[in-house]
Amino acid sequence: AQSVAQPEDQVNVAEGNPLTVKCTYSVSGNPYLFWYVQYPNRGLQFLLKYITGDNLVKGSYGFEAEFNKSQTSFHLKKPSALVSDSALYFCAVRDFDTGGFKTIFGAGTRLFVKA
Amino acid sequence: DGGITQSPKYLFRKEGQNVTLSCEQNLNHDAMYWYRQDPGQGLRLIYYSQIVNDFQKGDIAEGYSVSREKKESFPLTVTSAQKNPTAFYLCASIGTSGGSSYNEQFFGPGTRLTVL
Repeated sequence: AQSVAQPEDQVNVAEGNPLTVKCTYSVSGNPYLFWYVQYPNRGLQFLLKYITGDNLVKGSYGFEAEFNKSQTSFHLKKPSALVSDSALYFCAVRDFDTGGFKTIFGAGTRLFVKA
Repeated sequence: DGGITQSPKYLFRKEGQNVTLSCEQNLNHDAMYWYRQDPGQGLRLIYYSQIVNDFQKGDIAEGYSVSREKKESFPLTVTSAQKNPTAFYLCASIGTSGGSSYNEQFFGPGTRLTVL
């Protein structure tokens, strides 16, 4: 079965410092991986995805993610955190066990950026 | 949240009542989804629809029902059989041109349902 794990419930970082939000996955074939962000009482917004190609994927709002096949990880990163980055972040993987129409989401990691 | 609207934003239900949550999209997407979000948990799939007049149960379909009579609309009914319906409900869609496997989901702003 396909799955995704976010080992940290919460990440705290000071404004201006680099941030990393961790994600690991388990899939039976090639992984199609996604990151989404959710602000309070809002829907999720797409940040970036990895389908194939370059292991470093760049996305919205200065975020990037590094795909590491050997470690089965897809960590979200940003060189310099902003207070406005504080939100709930979800890693997700496309579920090919059900034909690719379903997405499996991690439990989410809450990011706090302190001024 | 562009392209997907959900209404109402807040909804209160009494015990034993059925309520219907609206989801409309103008993105011309074939596939639509309903998720439930509880505090401290990820999104759990309730129902999804790949095409008009067709839908499949997700992981937590019990106590819920859906219809897909139009491409733009995918309403969710929370029935009295759902024992713990208080949650945040999210509707989403995926464009299937080029293959849905590659495409990201677009989400609506959500409906917060509270049982009184």
